[in-house]
Amino acid sequence: DVVVTQSPLSLPVTLGQPASISCRSSQSLVYSDGNTYLSWFHQRPGHSPRRLIYEVSNRDSGVPDRFSGSGSGTDFTLTISRVEADDIGVYYCMQGTHWPPFTFGPGTKVDIK
Amino acid sequence: EVQLVESGGGLVQPGGSLRLSCAASGFSFSSYSMTWVRQAPGEGLEWVANINPDGSEKHYVDSVKGRFTISRDNAKNSLYLQMSGLRAEDTAVYYCATGRQAAGWGQGTLVTVSS
Repeated sequence: DVVVTQSPLSLPVTLGQPASISCRSSQSLVYSDGNTYLSWFHQRPGHSPRRLIYEVSNRDSGVPDRFSGSGSGTDFTLTISRVEADDIGVYYCMQGTHWPPFTFGPGTKVDIK
Repeated sequence: EVQLVESGGGLVQPGGSLRLSCAASGFSFSSYSMTWVRQAPGEGLEWVANINPDGSEKHYVDSVKGRFTISRDNAKNSLYLQMSGLRAEDTAVYYCATGRQAAGWGQGTLVTVSS
């Protein structure tokens, strides 16, 4: 199975400042169709997860443009350009290239300093 | 608007069975693969199973193979997860999600396996 890791696991942030989360996979996530199936999810406390980004850098409908995804191969990054209070919670990356199983990272907990 | 509503969770004894349902609306259910993901209390997300649009292909995480069965009824816009041989480690909130890449999620249903 593909192992997905994230860093850091805990990220204290300052409102209005940028923040970044790293996601790494044990194998390249480039699929035979040329696409890279790496998604990012956000889960607020007490809520269901919500997908933010799919295929590395595509924002889902309604996701603010302060969220961006980048990377290739085995190394990926989620960046929040200016953190807002609603951005607290846990962020997960998930690989959907080598399945089954799909595999999630362990999560990065973001809270306000 | 995509809506997914899970139901069927509850308290069950080890070795018992439970059937989860997910009612879908707001999209063409029969055109999409569907996925179950679970989250143990205080833990991260774990992919459990998925099923292709016509129900002919099903895939499972190793830890539930032979115990869980995913199915769907496209006429009823519904997804199911039949769980048997339940263990304490199956205790989790179970979410249904749209597509293989989990685009949309329901609110989840809690399954507690305990004597």
